[in-house]
Amino acid sequence: NAGVTQTPKFRILKIGQSMTLQCAQDMNHNYMYWYRQDPGMGLKLIYYSVGAGITDKGEVPNGYNVSRSTTEDFPLRLELAAPSQTSVYFCAVHGVNTGELFFGEGSRLTVL
Amino acid sequence: AQTVTQSQPEMSVQEAETVTLSCTYDTSENNYYLFWYKQPPSRQMILVIRQEAYKQQNATENRFSVNFQKAAKSFSLKISDSQLGDTAMYFCASTGANSKLTFGKGITLSVRP
Repeated sequence: NAGVTQTPKFRILKIGQSMTLQCAQDMNHNYMYWYRQDPGMGLKLIYYSVGAGITDKGEVPNGYNVSRSTTEDFPLRLELAAPSQTSVYFCAVHGVNTGELFFGEGSRLTVL
Repeated sequence: AQTVTQSQPEMSVQEAETVTLSCTYDTSENNYYLFWYKQPPSRQMILVIRQEAYKQQNATENRFSVNFQKAAKSFSLKISDSQLGDTAMYFCASTGANSKLTFGKGITLSVRP
């Protein structure tokens, strides 16, 4: 039972490149989230989804896009990478019964 | 807007002693959860303890307990018998609409041997 799986764990991008961070869950929960964590800071919400086909912006959505075609997958896309997007990205799934978020292991992205 | 404030950037405690981490929050939700998450150097986010706002009794998990003051919107974490493995960053968080979590900036806790 993997829970929440994020790939890749590390990536270096050049300015202007594009990439997709993958997030997959096997918990069959509807609510999923993408957060970013800048050095020494807390987590900020980028986008979230309450179910397949439904997504919405969080606190810091600029420069990102998401899609949710299935319950299991919630990819995050960076279209034109900028140094300001250097961060650690976390995907999370909401546990309905407990209210907590279950997190993936994080993806460290560096834009040079 | 929902806010979570952790005003102490770092703390240090001697092994086996007790330490309290402070957190205040502001929310317009009537029913919400409060959490403390631990983030060790591995960067994994680990749930430490959870409090449901409608419950008056303070949550306890082994060496970890909270002091939940709903009227004051305060949610502090007490770690008893501190261990070296408790060294980590600790985040306070509260739920909002659509179960979105809002996090504080975190506090770095160092346990000294």
